[in-house]
Amino acid sequence: KQEVTQIPAALSVPEGENLVLNCSFTDSAIYNLQWFRQDPGKGLTSLLLIQSSQREQTSGRLNASLDKSSGRSTLYIAASQPGDSATYLCAVKGSNDYKLSFGAGTTVTVRA
Amino acid sequence: KAGVTQTPRYLIKTRGQQVTLSCSPISGHRSVSWYQQTPGQGLQFLFEYFSETQRNKGNFPGRFSGRQFSNSRSEMNVSTLELGDSALYLCASRPGKGGTDTQYFGPGTRLTVL
Repeated sequence: KQEVTQIPAALSVPEGENLVLNCSFTDSAIYNLQWFRQDPGKGLTSLLLIQSSQREQTSGRLNASLDKSSGRSTLYIAASQPGDSATYLCAVKGSNDYKLSFGAGTTVTVRA
Repeated sequence: KAGVTQTPRYLIKTRGQQVTLSCSPISGHRSVSWYQQTPGQGLQFLFEYFSETQRNKGNFPGRFSGRQFSNSRSEMNVSTLELGDSALYLCASRPGKGGTDTQYFGPGTRLTVL
């Protein structure tokens, strides 16, 4: 069974600092990995999707890397802003069952 | 394009009752997935439908069921509600088959079981 772990569980940084969020997974047989953002009481917003054959994806201030062999992904958010405050979730889709397995998330607070 | 919509947004039920939740995917999307989110278990996959057929199922009891209609709209039903079924139920849609598509989530239905 795929286990997805996100460290740290919470993070508080001053505005302008770069954010580094980590995600690890136990089964390297993945189809893709997706990073989401969730605001309190709301649904999820997709940030980046990395195919298993890719090493990284970038969108604006966001960059996500994937090392399938070591079972790790990292989300970098450059020059953080208070609007980046949210919970960030990592999800892995298995290549055998196509099920999406989520981590517990990292709650980020960016202080103005 | 309108996003994924879920109705109702909030629901209060008592133990033993049953409930039906509805999800309308983004226009043109044929795949709909359902997830349960609780503080203790996090986000867990319930099931996925494509072209009215269940393609995948998570590890939930048979009290949880779903279906998809020809217009891709989906419903999820939970029978004999238990206190532990209190959760945010999220629906997600994507264009089609395969694992390459980004999932787009709705705002969720907050179910409270008393």
